[in-house]
Amino acid sequence: RKEVEQDPGPFNVPEGATVAFNCTYSNSASQSFFWYRQDCRKEPKLLMSVYSSGNEDGRFTAQLNRASQYISLLIRDSKLSDSATYLCVVKTSGTYKYIFGTGTRLKVLA
Amino acid sequence: DGGITQSPKYLFRKEGQNVTLSCEQNLNHDAMYWYRQDPGQGLRLIYYSQIVNDFQKGDIAEGYSVSREKKESFPLTVTSAQKNPTAFYLCATTSGSYEQYFGPGTRLTVT
Repeated sequence: RKEVEQDPGPFNVPEGATVAFNCTYSNSASQSFFWYRQDCRKEPKLLMSVYSSGNEDGRFTAQLNRASQYISLLIRDSKLSDSATYLCVVKTSGTYKYIFGTGTRLKVLA
Repeated sequence: DGGITQSPKYLFRKEGQNVTLSCEQNLNHDAMYWYRQDPGQGLRLIYYSQIVNDFQKGDIAEGYSVSREKKESFPLTVTSAQKNPTAFYLCATTSGSYEQYFGPGTRLTVT
């Protein structure tokens, strides 16, 4: 089983739709969680950290479920510019290593 | 401007040649990382450094070498021993709150 798993998609959604991605992780000692956005042939860019109580940044909401070992990203009112690959990243307590999911591809259609 | 720079953006080399990829940061971050990304795969850790003059192997260090003589700089050398060097190479730094920030990457093609 991979340490971090994501549905690769693609998720094709119309503009204005709400879309949610999940990411599961296998190590219960995982400490820090992040969502990154990566455009084609570009570097990943931090979208948001994920906090235990959940957090929101504009149209984006991130949730953490430690009991079931998954994090989620919800995007409301999708824009064409949201089209990208979304990477789930997990850092384990006591190490300096970050584990990256392979990403979920989102295509927002006009 | 604050940030991470990587150069060059594209690099072409013949098989058997060593090549060094540059990574410079002015964020004053202690930790620096090198990853490679292949199509359809997640980022894989090559080397990381938590402090000047110290670095650790990641999951796929074979065929690579690094140095960390200055806080700002963490160059990566891809040696001829690396069997499949063609990839997208990403340098990252880590803030005090564990957030990683990436440079624009170097796309290396070896033929």
